[in-house]
Amino acid sequence: DAMVIQNPRYQVTQFGKPVTLSCSQTLNHNVMYWYQQKSSQAPKLLFHYYDKDFNNEADTPDNFQSRRPNTSFCFLDIRSPGLGDAAMYLCATSSGRGLQYFGPGTRLLVL
Amino acid sequence: AQSVTQLDSHVSVSEGTPVLLRCNYSSSYSPSLFWYVQHPNKGLQLLLKYTSAATLVKGINGFEAEFKKSETSFHLTKPSAHMSDAAEYFCVVTSGVDTGRRALTFGSGTRLQVQP
Repeated sequence: DAMVIQNPRYQVTQFGKPVTLSCSQTLNHNVMYWYQQKSSQAPKLLFHYYDKDFNNEADTPDNFQSRRPNTSFCFLDIRSPGLGDAAMYLCATSSGRGLQYFGPGTRLLVL
Repeated sequence: AQSVTQLDSHVSVSEGTPVLLRCNYSSSYSPSLFWYVQHPNKGLQLLLKYTSAATLVKGINGFEAEFKKSETSFHLTKPSAHMSDAAEYFCVVTSGVDTGRRALTFGSGTRLQVQP
């Protein structure tokens, strides 16, 4: 009965090779978020979708893009991963009342 | 504007003793406050939430927190620590009128160690 699902749980990519991380939800929430969490740090919001309305945080690098083809799915695309992009990527959903439900995360390793 | 300060980056307790993780917040509007727990290489799990109802909030796994507006605090407590409580804990605040676009503001986290 998983509610927010992230695939894969671990992703290894090469420097500069595009990578896509996936998130799906069974909660039918209208808001979906992507966070980046580096070691021993708090999660940092990259962007979120309110329905189909995309909202980018001001300091999110252009290297990071997102797609939301429907309510259930949201993707994080990293066009040219650098070593500094190695992190845990967390997807979260919300019905818009403040409470967010997090997925288990995808740990990205860049070689 | 909103912010969260977790006063301790590391807390170490013995199994069976009380746990206290401290959190202070600031918010321009009536805040909603949360505590999340993160075990190694896992996502964030909600422990409890305060959303302007009862000031003493009970959560999962025996945790509770008390919202004190006069002190702008939302400390997390548990009467008796268990080894499985060892994890990273995040205090989180959100506020504002547009609930659909609320950003969460995270504290820097407190790592709880439980000694046998």
